[in-house]
Amino acid sequence: GAVVSQHPSRVICKSGTSVKIECRSLDFQATTMFWYRQFPKQSLMLMATSNEGSKATYEQGVEKDKFLINHASLTLSTLTVTSAHPEDSSFYICSAPDQGHEQFFGPGTRLTVL
Amino acid sequence: AQRVTQPEKLLSVFKGAPVELKCNYSYSGSPELFWYVQYSRQRLQLLLRHISRESIKGFTADLNKGETSFHLKKPFAQEEDSAMYYCALSGGNQGGKLIFGQGTELSVKP
Repeated sequence: GAVVSQHPSRVICKSGTSVKIECRSLDFQATTMFWYRQFPKQSLMLMATSNEGSKATYEQGVEKDKFLINHASLTLSTLTVTSAHPEDSSFYICSAPDQGHEQFFGPGTRLTVL
Repeated sequence: AQRVTQPEKLLSVFKGAPVELKCNYSYSGSPELFWYVQYSRQRLQLLLRHISRESIKGFTADLNKGETSFHLKKPFAQEEDSAMYYCALSGGNQGGKLIFGQGTELSVKP
């Protein structure tokens, strides 16, 4: 099946700094990618839809100025957490649909803000 | 409002016992329903989707529109089935975005 990668797998940063997380579709192109946030032993919460060549679509309650999304190419979407705070600490997961519209998920990025 | 509900946070059964993980949904339209599984330290992966009506690893799920349910069943649980299971919904015209339930941790004891 298709493969989606994320980088880094884990990151620790200081409060107030910005962190960039990459999501790549390795063997297929994706005009759309999705970003989720997952708390321990809890559900995945959809944050936004990343659209190649246009602005991302954010879910209600998600601050677009805090979680910047850029979908620069058909295989890469980035999520930048700006001015990170401890409450932003979480597990961030991306997904991308292949040609058959099946969603493939990345392994996730563990963000810890000190 | 779109919502997926998995009432059980943890389900513990013995090997060989039947398993049913419950999922109810709320959606005004014709949604597509999925079950995803996340094994320990692995990424989320698709287990099955209602439109394919197939059985994967012995699991089946039937969409009941009257009861708005999509329960996951397996007649004889195996230890390797222990994992987190997520029910998810996708609207027909929403570009593939998924709304997830809270997840159910299945623990199959020997």
